[in-house]
Amino acid sequence: AQSVTQLDSHVSVSEGTPVLLRCNYSSSYSPSLFWYVQHPNKGLQLLLKYTSAATLVKGINGFEAEFKKSETSFHLTKPSAHMSDAAEYFCVVSGNNFNKFYFGSGTKLNVKP
Amino acid sequence: DTAVSQTPKYLVTQMGNDKSIKCEQNLGHDTMYWYKQDSKKFLKIMFSYNNKELIINETVPNRFSPKSPDKAHLNLHINSLELGDSAVYFCASSQGTGKEPQHFGDGTRLSIL
Repeated sequence: AQSVTQLDSHVSVSEGTPVLLRCNYSSSYSPSLFWYVQHPNKGLQLLLKYTSAATLVKGINGFEAEFKKSETSFHLTKPSAHMSDAAEYFCVVSGNNFNKFYFGSGTKLNVKP
Repeated sequence: DTAVSQTPKYLVTQMGNDKSIKCEQNLGHDTMYWYKQDSKKFLKIMFSYNNKELIINETVPNRFSPKSPDKAHLNLHINSLELGDSAVYFCASSQGTGKEPQHFGDGTRLSIL
């Protein structure tokens, strides 16, 4: 069975400092992995995705994530946080049934001035 | 131009009522989804349609009935609303089967009194 665990429900950083949002996955085969961002009262927006090509994936707004099979992790990073990055972030793993995607419980990122 | 639009944005109603939520996408995508997000922000797939055909039907009560009159529309009708139906419902779309949901609507916030 496929699942994702987002290790932190809340992360707080100061503007201009690095962001690290942690995600571990469980899958019985080689999955595709995704990060989405959700701003308040909005739908989710796809930030980036890993689909078995390069293990370091670059996304929008300066975010990137690294797929580490040995650690079953797919952590999201950004070198320098911006106030506009404050939002909820979801890590997602694909299921073995096409069109099924399993969402983590989310990490709320707070950015302090 | 809104890519995925849902109406209404807010829905407040009494237990036992029947209500519908509409979704339209203008991206030319052939796959559409309904997701439910609970009060803890957990997102779960409910249904998925590809070219008007149902391809995913999760363990959702029979009171929930999706309808896709054409590939640009996916509506959700809910009968005999219960307190536990209170949630945010998101419509999403993607191009092709086996693809991650690429565009989300802004959600419909359903509150049952």
